[in-house]
Amino acid sequence: EIVLTQSPATLSLSPGERATLSCRASQSVSSNLAWYQQKPGLAPRLLIYDASNRATGVPARFSGSGSGTDFTLSISSLEPEDFAVYYCQHRSNFGPGTKVDIK
Amino acid sequence: EVQLVESGGGLVQPGGSLRLSCAASGFTFNNYWMNWVRQAPGKGLEWVANINQDGSDKYYVDAVKGRFTISRDNDKNSLYLQMNSLRAEDTALYYCARSYVTASGTKWFDPWGQGTLVTVSS
Repeated sequence: EIVLTQSPATLSLSPGERATLSCRASQSVSSNLAWYQQKPGLAPRLLIYDASNRATGVPARFSGSGSGTDFTLSISSLEPEDFAVYYCQHRSNFGPGTKVDIK
Repeated sequence: EVQLVESGGGLVQPGGSLRLSCAASGFTFNNYWMNWVRQAPGKGLEWVANINQDGSDKYYVDAVKGRFTISRDNDKNSLYLQMNSLRAEDTALYYCARSYVTASGTKWFDPWGQGTLVTVSS
């Protein structure tokens, strides 16, 4: 089974700063990786699929990159609504999540 | 608008049973794989089960095999999860999620319902 690890566990940043989140797979998953955003009390929302494609309606400040075992979700300039937990996913496996909170 | 609405959660004693439902609207339900994903309080996401378009293929996470059964009724645009022999560790918010298929054939969870809470406790 492929295990996904995410780092850091928590990222404390200010609005306007750039966020860089990492997801590492225990073996190659090619480009078969997605990122989800979950705000408190809400269901997860698909942000990025196939490692680098933004889902419908996702702002351009979100971008995904990587292939094989190392992936990155970047948020170019944090908006107040971006403070949330972010999960990476490959098939039936989710990473433990990275919480982006306000510094 | 694509919408998924779960129901059926509640408080149940260990060893008890519960049936969750997910009502789908805004898309052609019988064209999509469907999933249940759960989230224990304060924890991460765990995929539970999925089912193909006509209900002939079903898959489960090891932790629920033999206890949970996923099913669907395409005439009613509904997805179900029958949960038997419930344990404290099954306590979670259960989400229904559609499998979104991309042009390249990959499948992702989109959208998700709002979830229904299952609490297993005496």
